[in-house]
Amino acid sequence: GDSVTQMEGPVTLSEEAFLTINCTYTATGYPSLFWYVQYPGEGLQLLLKATKADDKGSNKGFEATYRKETTSFHLEKGSVQVSDSAVYFCAGGQAGTALIFGKGTTLSVSS
Amino acid sequence: GAGVSQSPSNKVTEKGKDVELRCDPISGHTALYWYRQSLGQGLEFLIYFQGNSAPDKSGLPSDRFSAERTGGSVSTLTIQRTQQEDSAVYLCASSLGPAGTTYEQYFGPGTRLTVT
Repeated sequence: GDSVTQMEGPVTLSEEAFLTINCTYTATGYPSLFWYVQYPGEGLQLLLKATKADDKGSNKGFEATYRKETTSFHLEKGSVQVSDSAVYFCAGGQAGTALIFGKGTTLSVSS
Repeated sequence: GAGVSQSPSNKVTEKGKDVELRCDPISGHTALYWYRQSLGQGLEFLIYFQGNSAPDKSGLPSDRFSAERTGGSVSTLTIQRTQQEDSAVYLCASSLGPAGTTYEQYFGPGTRLTVT
């Protein structure tokens, strides 16, 4: 069945460092891909999404591009802030089926 | 407007007891999902309701788990004869349209279940 492989954490960075969190979705088709974020003490919320190949999702300085050849959707941010400390979940899904989530990557940013 | 709400926020139960967890989705959302979040395990899909279609129960881990959605709105997840491995945070989400498309899933705050 479909699966999501997400870079394991924790990831520890200094403020203003570059961030990459890798995500690959294994499927028979081409799903929509998402990044969700869970800030400390809060519920999951959508960060960005892409529904077809070459789409780029972006939000709050984060970006991810849907690469069809590898069904990858790596999350990047050029300069992280302390407030970006959270758990990041990659997810994907075919139309009409529930999303499959990765195990989550914990990001800690220090000043 | 109101988001997804879940109750109770915390539940402690003894092994072998039955528990019911409730989810109130956002009004007008046709899709409703239950997930389980265990430490270090990410989000595990349990069950998905879409409109009046038969639910996708493929994620339920055993026949002790069941869920229903009444009137296309409120949903109840029931765990019978709870086991210690059932301890987790149970998350509910809803979306305006079908899963796996462009529709964002909105998550509730979760119910933390502890089985002693």
